[in-house]
Amino acid sequence: ETAVFQTPNYHVTQVGNEVSFNCKQTLGHDTMYWYKQDSKKLLKIMFSYNNKQLIVNETVPRRFSPQSSDKAHLNLRIKSVEPEDSAVYLCASSHRVDSDYTFGSGTRLLVI
Amino acid sequence: QQQVRQSPQSLTVWEGETAILNCSYEDSTFDYFPWYHQFPGESPALLIAIRPVSNKKEDGRFTIFFNKREKKFSLHIADSQPGDSATYFCAASDHNNNAPRFGAGTKLSVKP
Repeated sequence: ETAVFQTPNYHVTQVGNEVSFNCKQTLGHDTMYWYKQDSKKLLKIMFSYNNKQLIVNETVPRRFSPQSSDKAHLNLRIKSVEPEDSAVYLCASSHRVDSDYTFGSGTRLLVI
Repeated sequence: QQQVRQSPQSLTVWEGETAILNCSYEDSTFDYFPWYHQFPGESPALLIAIRPVSNKKEDGRFTIFFNKREKKFSLHIADSQPGDSATYFCAASDHNNNAPRFGAGTKLSVKP
């Protein structure tokens, strides 16, 4: 099966903890992304990776960092979570930035 | 900086009517305009997309109308069905390695 796979589906943690989310795509795409979707459904780009090169790094807090071992994997680490980090984090991939996206199922983070 | 504006925020139509969702953009370098739909509890999925070489793209009941001069594009859903009820996102991207920007979404409800 070819798709974008994210783990975990759901994560609950306390303020100040470190969390990591995994994303893997088996579509042979060259570009991967992380988006944050808040409670109002707004989709905000966080990072883009093209063949392990960071091509977009939006003004996200420095506690967020992308990690990639190859073009099929793009993980997201949050060093010290804060309550406002509670959201759904969506991983996506595409052949190019101006082509169709495939999204993963998302990781819902709840910070308490 | 909101580069893609979407309206209305929510829309209710009766079954069989045509739903019209609107988007506008600012950046003239944008050259790819997809629409995604997201059902509750699921991730966004590509519905239909257009490039500026065309001013219309059809796929079954779904049609994109594109106006390059006014920097506007719209999604028309003909013969709306209750199963079309979802949140619809427009997006815009260019080929300069800038990640796509999404509109704020339109929550569509189709009443039987």
